[in-house]
Amino acid sequence: EAGVAQSPRYKIIEKRQSVAFWCNPISGHATLYWYQQILGQGPKLLIQFQNNGVVDDSQLPKDRFSAERLKGVDSTLKIQPAKLEDSAVYLCASSLLVVDEQFFGPGTRLTVL
Amino acid sequence: KQEVTQIPAALSVPEGENLVLNCSFTDSAIYNLQWFRQDPGKGLTSLLLIQSSQREQTSGRLNASLDKSSGRSTLYIAASQPGDSATYLCALYSSASKIIFGSGTRLSIRP
Repeated sequence: EAGVAQSPRYKIIEKRQSVAFWCNPISGHATLYWYQQILGQGPKLLIQFQNNGVVDDSQLPKDRFSAERLKGVDSTLKIQPAKLEDSAVYLCASSLLVVDEQFFGPGTRLTVL
Repeated sequence: KQEVTQIPAALSVPEGENLVLNCSFTDSAIYNLQWFRQDPGKGLTSLLLIQSSQREQTSGRLNASLDKSSGRSTLYIAASQPGDSATYLCALYSSASKIIFGSGTRLSIRP
């Protein structure tokens, strides 16, 4: 069974530039999560989708971050414009149901210069 | 507000020892608790999921317990091996605060 796929694996940008991350969940998983993990900390939930609807985006900085999950499968997370403090690993996860075991992708390491 | 604490932040033990990692939380109204391991530069690997109604789960040399009344979960690793070296994270799914991760315990097993 294929796992959660993410791309790119690494990205370096200048502050004020834009960046987008892509995630493809495990086939059949209805719930998709985006997390931000700063070095030395546990992941912080940014947004949770159930199919193509948003379950929780209370910690998403909506002035610069946006996410979508069209057709309830793939998802894209965008940052525009990026700030230095956005440097982190962005993790995508999926689960079969809303309250269920989560499976993570390899993450995208973002460096903002 | 739910808070999740993992102490110690780092732990080093010799190979072959049995060890216990701790995860404490402040709000017992949880749906489930999940333990993960994270290798450097990698994503998270799911180890065990304990539902709110369960007291423990086992997988191979790993055993996770859940005590909601005391706000505590433990991950027991038997006969530790150098390959067990990683950061171990716990995560709660609660009705009030949704999904909250601890900061992790960085485990090093000395050969």
